[in-house]
Amino acid sequence: KAGVTQTPRYLIKTRGQQVTLSCSPISGHRSVSWYQQTPGQGLQFLFEYFSETQRNKGNFPGRFSGRQFSNSRSEMNVSTLELGDSALYLCASSLMGGGQETQYFGPGTRLLVL
Amino acid sequence: AQSVSQHNHHVILSEAASLELGCNYSYGGTVNLFWYVQYPGQHLQLLLKYFSGDPLVKGIKGFEAEFIKSKFSFNLRKPSVQWSDTAEYFCAVNPNTNAGKSTFGDGTTLTVKP
Repeated sequence: KAGVTQTPRYLIKTRGQQVTLSCSPISGHRSVSWYQQTPGQGLQFLFEYFSETQRNKGNFPGRFSGRQFSNSRSEMNVSTLELGDSALYLCASSLMGGGQETQYFGPGTRLLVL
Repeated sequence: AQSVSQHNHHVILSEAASLELGCNYSYGGTVNLFWYVQYPGQHLQLLLKYFSGDPLVKGIKGFEAEFIKSKFSFNLRKPSVQWSDTAEYFCAVNPNTNAGKSTFGDGTTLTVKP
């Protein structure tokens, strides 16, 4: 089975722009979660989607949003980019996001905001 | 809210030395526990996990961890490290009812000197 894939792998944007990141989960997985990884804050949970619905949300401003499609692929959008949004954005998938499941992580999209 | 604390930020060992990385969590309910490893330039990989049962779990590459419920701890151990174990290690927890929302520790960078 193919693993979690994320596109693009690298991205450079300037302040004020918006960006869309994409994640394709492992085939059959319906839960997709997004995390932000920075040297200062570590790995922080952004949100989780299941069956095209946001099921959980972390403590991030409304500039961070996402969606999930019927094939479980997910996109994450950040509007009005700030320098502090520079980070590695990780996507993880699991079967149902239920109890006693394992999340599998993608390689991440590295975003640099100038 | 759940939280995870990893006490060692940076550990330096010589090859063949024994390793123990501390992880303590705070959560009021039943949790699933994980250790992930991130090798330089690679994505997060699962080392081992604990859901229930035997509190001593064995993972890949000779790693093991022990869940001590009374201490809210899930320490990672390896009897003899190798240079190839140089990486960043993350402890993570999620509620037993929702695998899609994980809380991570700040990570421990392990450097193994040849």
